[in-house]
Amino acid sequence: EDQVTQSPEALRLQEGESSSLNCSYTVSGLRGLFWYRQDPGKGPEFLFTLYSAGEEKEKERLKATLTKKESFLHITAPKPEDSATYLCAVQGNSGNTPLVFGKGTRLSVIA
Amino acid sequence: ETGVTQTPRHLVMGMTNKKSLKCEQHLGHNAMYWYKQSAKKPLELMFVYNFKEQTENNSVPSRFSPECPNSSHLFLHLHTLQPEDSALYLCASSQDGVPLYGYTFGSGTRLTVV
Repeated sequence: EDQVTQSPEALRLQEGESSSLNCSYTVSGLRGLFWYRQDPGKGPEFLFTLYSAGEEKEKERLKATLTKKESFLHITAPKPEDSATYLCAVQGNSGNTPLVFGKGTRLSVIA
Repeated sequence: ETGVTQTPRHLVMGMTNKKSLKCEQHLGHNAMYWYKQSAKKPLELMFVYNFKEQTENNSVPSRFSPECPNSSHLFLHLHTLQPEDSALYLCASSQDGVPLYGYTFGSGTRLTVV
């Protein structure tokens, strides 16, 4: 059974204080690993897809990396508007299996 | 309108009521999903439709009944719900059921069962 574990559950940073969020996964053959951002009262918003170990993707202050067992979402010099819940999901390569999500990391960036 | 639209945004219903949630996507996608999001739990997949055909029912109680009349519209019919069914219900869509570019989610319906 595919599983995703995210840590920490919550993270509080000062503005400008860089940090990383972790997503550990087990999957029977990885088709893709996905990062989403979710603001309160809204649906998740797609950020990145990673397909193979060693791959990296960047968007503004966010950089996602992937190994065979985990993914990191690095946040460089965060701003208060980066405050949100960040969700990680995986899709296995057995047919059209839907995404399996972790519980998320709730990030708060204080000015 | 663009993206995935869900209505209503908020719903309060009694345990004996019958209501429906609606989802509409304007992206030309052919797969649609219902997810349940409860506090401190991961998103739980409920139903999947590919080309209007239900391809997955994730052991969801029969008090939840999905309907997909075409590839742009998805409904979730609710009846005789329990208080533990209170949650955020999210609709999503993707192309071909293989979300190479991720799912596109709606803003959700916040459901409260009293």
